Amino acid sequence: AQSVAQPEDQVNVAEGNPLTVKCTYSVSGNPYLFWYVQYPNRGLQFLLKYITGDNLVKGSYGFEAEFNKSQTSFHLKKPSALVSDSALYFCAVRDRTGTASKLTFGTGTRLQVTL
Amino acid sequence: ETGVTQSPTHLIKTRGQQVTLRCSSQSGHNTVSWYQQALGQGPQFIFQYYREEENGRGNFPPRFSGLQFPNYSSELNVNALELDDSALYLCASSSSRMPGASTEAFFGQGTRLTVV
Repeated sequence: AQSVAQPEDQVNVAEGNPLTVKCTYSVSGNPYLFWYVQYPNRGLQFLLKYITGDNLVKGSYGFEAEFNKSQTSFHLKKPSALVSDSALYFCAVRDRTGTASKLTFGTGTRLQVTL
Repeated sequence: ETGVTQSPTHLIKTRGQQVTLRCSSQSGHNTVSWYQQALGQGPQFIFQYYREEENGRGNFPPRFSGLQFPNYSSELNVNALELDDSALYLCASSSSRMPGASTEAFFGQGTRLTVV
């Protein structure tokens, strides 16, 4: 089965500084990787995905992610954090069960951006 | 907004009762998946419906069941509720059985179920 790991429960960053939220993956075959963000009392919002192609993927709200095959990582990054970026971030990988394709999520990383 | 709507937003039930949660998928999407997100955890896949048929299931007991209707809206039914069923239930729709190959899954805002 495919899996992802988010080693940090929380990341603290000052506004204006760059941020990185880490994700590593374990897959057989080519990985299809995703980042989602969850604000309080809200569902998941899609940020970006890696399917194939460029290792640097650009997504919504100024976020980007770097796919690194040798390190089996897919870290989420943003050059300059905003207080409004404070939320719960989930890394996910496409997995299969039966004939269904599902998302297998990490445990989440809480991003706290302070003034 | 993703165009995926869920109802109700909050629900309180008693242990042993049954509950039905509803999801209206985004226009043009024929695939609906349901996830359970317990407090402090990532979402866990319950099952997926494609064109009104269940085509995959996660590690959940049979008392978790579902339906998909011709308009691709969906229901999640949980019988004999247990305290551990308290969670946020998320519905996700996509235009393919294989989200990610060419399209991503779009999530609703979720239904917060509390079992007391």
